[in-house]
Amino acid sequence: EVQLVESGGVVVQPGGSLRLSCAASGFTFDDYAMHWVRQAPGKGLEWVSLISWDGGSTYYADSVKGRFTISRDNSKNSLYLQMNSLRAEDTALYYCAKDIGTGGWAFDYWGQGTLVTVSS
Amino acid sequence: QSALTQPASVSGSPGQSITISCTGTSSDVGSYNLVSWYQQHPGKAPKLMIYEVSKRPSGVSNRFSGSKSGNTASLTISGLQAEDEADYYCCSYAGSSTSPFGGGTKLTVL
Repeated sequence: EVQLVESGGVVVQPGGSLRLSCAASGFTFDDYAMHWVRQAPGKGLEWVSLISWDGGSTYYADSVKGRFTISRDNSKNSLYLQMNSLRAEDTALYYCAKDIGTGGWAFDYWGQGTLVTVSS
Repeated sequence: QSALTQPASVSGSPGQSITISCTGTSSDVGSYNLVSWYQQHPGKAPKLMIYEVSKRPSGVSNRFSGSKSGNTASLTISGLQAEDEADYYCCSYAGSSTSPFGGGTKLTVL
């Protein structure tokens, strides 16, 4: 059974930093690209970032480019999101999601999310 | 990276069919057959319902179907059931490995 478990969400002040983690199990982690998707309270979904299966390629939404860094450790079956220069508008539930693979762009498994609150 | 456009809400009675539209541009929906749809119940993580415009993942009911015409994709749910009441989001690949979502549609089963 595929499982994705996020952690690391806390309350942080504007301008602060935070690292989110996602522990993956139930599939061959290093066969798949992985994504972060976020959802502000009461709002819709927003794609945040993608990392290729080997970590060699990374991509970001314009809203986080230059502030967030996605990474992965395939030896630990783990995905990370380093978040710097946090803003109030970054407040959201952050989901890690597995890419469906085979060139198809879709998110076939999701974690339960970890809540990041940016507030003074 | 503009969001895709979905109606805010749709409704239907049990047994009926409804369609949710997702309008993008020639840079996203119109250029790639990589539209996906997600169902989200309150307090739950999203669930993939349709990928690559019209493919259903294993375990998803065949009451759910997807299509695309030009810059607009559609999700159709036939034989509406009470458990279909949820928020639905479309998503499309938009080149350069970016991926806008629609704003979401709240489906009410009357």
